[in-house]
Amino acid sequence: ETVLTQSPTTTAASPGEKVTITCRASSSVSYMHWYQQKSGASPKLWIYDTSKLASGVPNRFSGSGSGTSYSLIISSIESEDAATYYCQQKSSDPLTFGSGTKLEIK
Amino acid sequence: EVQLVETGGGLVQPGRSLKLSCVASGFTFNNYWMSWTRQAPGKGLEWVASITNSGGSTYYPDSVKGRFTISRDNAQNTLYLQMNSLRSEDTATYYCTRGGRRVFDYWGQGVMVTVSS
Repeated sequence: ETVLTQSPTTTAASPGEKVTITCRASSSVSYMHWYQQKSGASPKLWIYDTSKLASGVPNRFSGSGSGTSYSLIISSIESEDAATYYCQQKSSDPLTFGSGTKLEIK
Repeated sequence: EVQLVETGGGLVQPGRSLKLSCVASGFTFNNYWMSWTRQAPGKGLEWVASITNSGGSTYYPDSVKGRFTISRDNAQNTLYLQMNSLRSEDTATYYCTRGGRRVFDYWGQGVMVTVSS
């Protein structure tokens, strides 16, 4: 099983700051996907195939990476970005998720 | 508009069974893999089961293999999850999700399953 380790577990940033969330895989994966989950709501696909933004996702979000290291980057945080972000891989079975990164806005 | 509406959750005793349903609308159901994903209270996401668009193949992680069965009725645009021999660790919100071959691009609102005596 490919274990996905996200860091940090929790982070807080002020509006306008840049934030990077990292997802490290225990073995190489071809792509990484990211989901955003706000409190009390269902997850939403946010970034797929490592760097493609899902429909409606603001372009202050971006994704990058390869092999065992992937990142979700927010160039300039806004208050609406407060959420938990999960990475997910399907390059190897079983499909696995990271444990999540909670982003708080100061 | 894609909609996935889950039903069938509730409180069930350990060792008993429960069947979840998900009615899909807003897309051509038989063109897509479908899946179930769950989230224990206060915890992260866990993939539970996937089924191909025809229903001919199904996939499970070891944690539910042999206990859970995913199925679909393409004529009724409905996805199912039959859960047998339920355990306390199966307590979670269960989401019907479109996809599973690579990503889950739409999620239902979720249905709560509580396994407790």
